[in-house]
Amino acid sequence: GQNIDQPTEMTATEGAIVQINCTYQTSGFNGLFWYQQHAGEAPTFLSYNVLDGLEEKGRFSSFLSRSKGYSYLLLKELQMKDSASYLCAVRGFDKLIFGAGTRLAVHP
Amino acid sequence: GAVVSQHPSWVICKSGTSVKIECRSLDFQATTMFWYRQFPKQSLMLMATSNEGSKATYEQGVEKDKFLINHASLTLSTLTVTSAHPEDSSFYICSARGQGAGTGELFFGEGSRLTVL
Repeated sequence: GQNIDQPTEMTATEGAIVQINCTYQTSGFNGLFWYQQHAGEAPTFLSYNVLDGLEEKGRFSSFLSRSKGYSYLLLKELQMKDSASYLCAVRGFDKLIFGAGTRLAVHP
Repeated sequence: GAVVSQHPSWVICKSGTSVKIECRSLDFQATTMFWYRQFPKQSLMLMATSNEGSKATYEQGVEKDKFLINHASLTLSTLTVTSAHPEDSSFYICSARGQGAGTGELFFGEGSRLTVL
């Protein structure tokens, strides 16, 4: 079976750092993606990991451990506009399967 | 990045009618497109994989006779919700994998919000 778990909701303060975790069990593995989705809008691509380690892209970083079936998205210097849902998605043999998403609320 | 366009963005229809949603890849050819459905405060659920020139592959629990998918060209896939009912009200999003994208990243359309009265 396929299972992707991430926390439902998180809150953080503007300017702080937040880490959103994702664990997965899937049939096949060809990469893990993080997407950002604002309410009522389509998801937008944030990051991609296929090898173990940390990928840094500006204020956002993503980490992957394939042996542990684990990833996290790290958001630094949080801004109010970062309030959104963050979707962890795993590509199996062909399909991209999404986790339920983590709703992040950034407070002043 | 690659551009995927979806139309209409919003549609309201009466129960029992059919609604067609179009998904176009504007600057690349997509042999495969994916249709997702998203209910409020939930994640994207894959409905089906649309293959150009052949039948779509539906996920378990998705009625293929209710959600008709046609992928007649390399740039257009359509989803028709037949005999729509209020429980079909949802956000429908299509996506395609850009050619040459080594990551296999999906590019999403803007989404179509369907409300069935």
